[in-house]
Amino acid sequence: QQQVKQSPQSLIVQKGGISIINCAYENTAFDYFPWYQQFPGKGPALLIAIRPDVSEKKEGRFTISFNKSAKQFSLHIMDSQPGDSATYFCAASKAGGYNKLIFGAGTRLAVHP
Amino acid sequence: NAGVTQTPKFQVLKTGQSMTLQCAQDMNHNSMYWYRQDPGMGLRLIYYSASEGTTDKGEVPNGYNVSRLNKREFSLRLESAAPSQTSVYFCASSEQGQMNSPLHFGNGTRLTVT
Repeated sequence: QQQVKQSPQSLIVQKGGISIINCAYENTAFDYFPWYQQFPGKGPALLIAIRPDVSEKKEGRFTISFNKSAKQFSLHIMDSQPGDSATYFCAASKAGGYNKLIFGAGTRLAVHP
Repeated sequence: NAGVTQTPKFQVLKTGQSMTLQCAQDMNHNSMYWYRQDPGMGLRLIYYSASEGTTDKGEVPNGYNVSRLNKREFSLRLESAAPSQTSVYFCASSEQGQMNSPLHFGNGTRLTVT
């Protein structure tokens, strides 16, 4: 069973719009929630991450919102640009888990000019 | 500074053939990982090595073996390839001992088993 559920599978946004990708988890032992960005032909790279002790983290145009009670977290990309077109993965791991990340299925984002 | 280097980039195997995927990192990281990426499934952990001399199973270890050759190198072996092992394989590394340090991924090996 998928421990981290990600939606939508694909997303099309116009340049300048807001892209929103959602993830949900079941295991309350998870305590680290990163987002990875992957361009075609490349490996994923860390974009932004959050711990459950905060409800929001912002880095430039990228924001993670975290709802511990609902066991959900989301990535918001403000002022989306064509260069943001990529596949985005949410992930989760447990404390002391040697960074053994459990990934969501991924969201393919296309930002149209 | 190359980061994580994977070889080969592409490989086609026939069912039953064996092969080894190579991975090397030059960041002096202690921990290394092998993931497979399939459409609609995200990335799934096959094996990991928390430090030199140790290896452990991940979510989907069946059909694979690994060797942590030294601190830099971590190889993945398919002893008898099956079509279900058609996938893109990613090696990654991270600092051990640093809570939640990022995974640094290579660019992948695309494997097709016919």
